Amino acid sequence: GEDVEQSLFLSVREGDSSVINCTYTDSSSTYLYWYKQEPGAGLQLLTYIFSNMDMKQDQRLTVLLNKKDKHLSLRIADTQTGDSAIYFCAESSVSNDYKLSFGAGTTVTVRA
Amino acid sequence: DAGVTQSPTHLIKTRGQQVTLRCSPKSGHDTVSWYQQALGQGPQFIFQYYEEEERQRGNFPDRFSGHQFPNYSSELNVNALLLGDSALYLCASSLGPSGGKRTDTQYFGPGTRLTVL
Repeated sequence: GEDVEQSLFLSVREGDSSVINCTYTDSSSTYLYWYKQEPGAGLQLLTYIFSNMDMKQDQRLTVLLNKKDKHLSLRIADTQTGDSAIYFCAESSVSNDYKLSFGAGTTVTVRA
Repeated sequence: DAGVTQSPTHLIKTRGQQVTLRCSPKSGHDTVSWYQQALGQGPQFIFQYYEEEERQRGNFPDRFSGHQFPNYSSELNVNALLLGDSALYLCASSLGPSGGKRTDTQYFGPGTRLTVL
């Protein structure tokens, strides 16, 4: 989706933290999501944040939202080999009747 | 709790043929959205069904059509297949406003891999 941009690749050492970044353009975005896709599989919802929040933490996952800069990040603490996957940022808004607009995905590779 | 299911898992068709893909939403959900994911790209919204009607449509030609049944399951039909229709087709379900409270979080099925030769 041209309205959502992500860096394409991230390589991280096992046990380190991963930070995946995303920018979006729709200022009326209501919800912002992170999905995970493993090879040959569908999308797994990891977490989401409402646009009136700055941060959300869920176990190893921390989402930060900078609404002014339209910047979203996902931090994965203590990255494991099972975290190797493609991570998609997505946004939805009332103006688009909540259809999801996705970025192209960030491929995260965890090395031993 | 049954998640979103899709059938078939894989499908091979030739150019010009027609295909029907099926989706059953997560238990308790009444809204179904379809997405096309080409290789190496993010999913692109095709359309969304709620109360058996198409509520919203993305930038896809009329060759793409759908249907929602009273039990909330849905079909995606693609006519006159082109090579460029080869992709992973994802179905997502959510809860629309019928329950009085809207939750727009969409849960995805495993997808149907369509190959057009």
